[in-house]
Amino acid sequence: SQQGEEDPQALSIQEGENATMNCSYKTSINNLQWYRQNSGRGLVHLILIRSNEREKHSGRLRVTLDTSKKSSSLLITASRAADTASYFCATISGSRLTFGEGTQLTVNP
Amino acid sequence: GAGVSQSPSNKVTEKGKDVELRCDPISGHTALYWYRQSLGQGLEFLIYFQGNSAPDKSGLPSDRFSAERTGGSVSTLTIQRTQQEDSAVYLCASSLAWDSPLHFGNGTRLTVT
Repeated sequence: SQQGEEDPQALSIQEGENATMNCSYKTSINNLQWYRQNSGRGLVHLILIRSNEREKHSGRLRVTLDTSKKSSSLLITASRAADTASYFCATISGSRLTFGEGTQLTVNP
Repeated sequence: GAGVSQSPSNKVTEKGKDVELRCDPISGHTALYWYRQSLGQGLEFLIYFQGNSAPDKSGLPSDRFSAERTGGSVSTLTIQRTQQEDSAVYLCASSLAWDSPLHFGNGTRLTVT
């Protein structure tokens, strides 16, 4: 079974709105990472948050981590049509990095 | 600089044939992963190489699948006697260390007819 599970599976918003995606995981982690995948391409790393961090920012991205609830959220502010992609969270459990099923984000112009 | 390179980008093969997929990681990256992704799905872990340690092969779905990493650099994933359910995109990724972000190639799309 997947270590991380994203919610929702799909999200459709208008350009300019904010998008929030959530990730839950099962076991203790060293860090949690968020990736983006455009259709037909490999994944691109967005942001890494360590287990002793609670919040991290990168441009229009904001990631939070709640280790007591074993959950993380990715917020994309002021979304653009170019943000349309699948977004995955990934966690290291043991030595391997495992991914959730992803959230498909569609930003309508 | 050069990213992770995978070849071929597309492969169509007949059921029962063997295929070899290649991954050239970023130079100096000690960790290398193979994942499989079916259409619209998440990533399924296959195998993980870290430096000179024994690889973590626990994700390989059957003994028809094998992978090696020569000289700590290039890796090949071999699928013997391919089946239609092997059709997927095979993604390779490398990272500087075991807990560092991954850099992905664009994958090999395998179609078994």
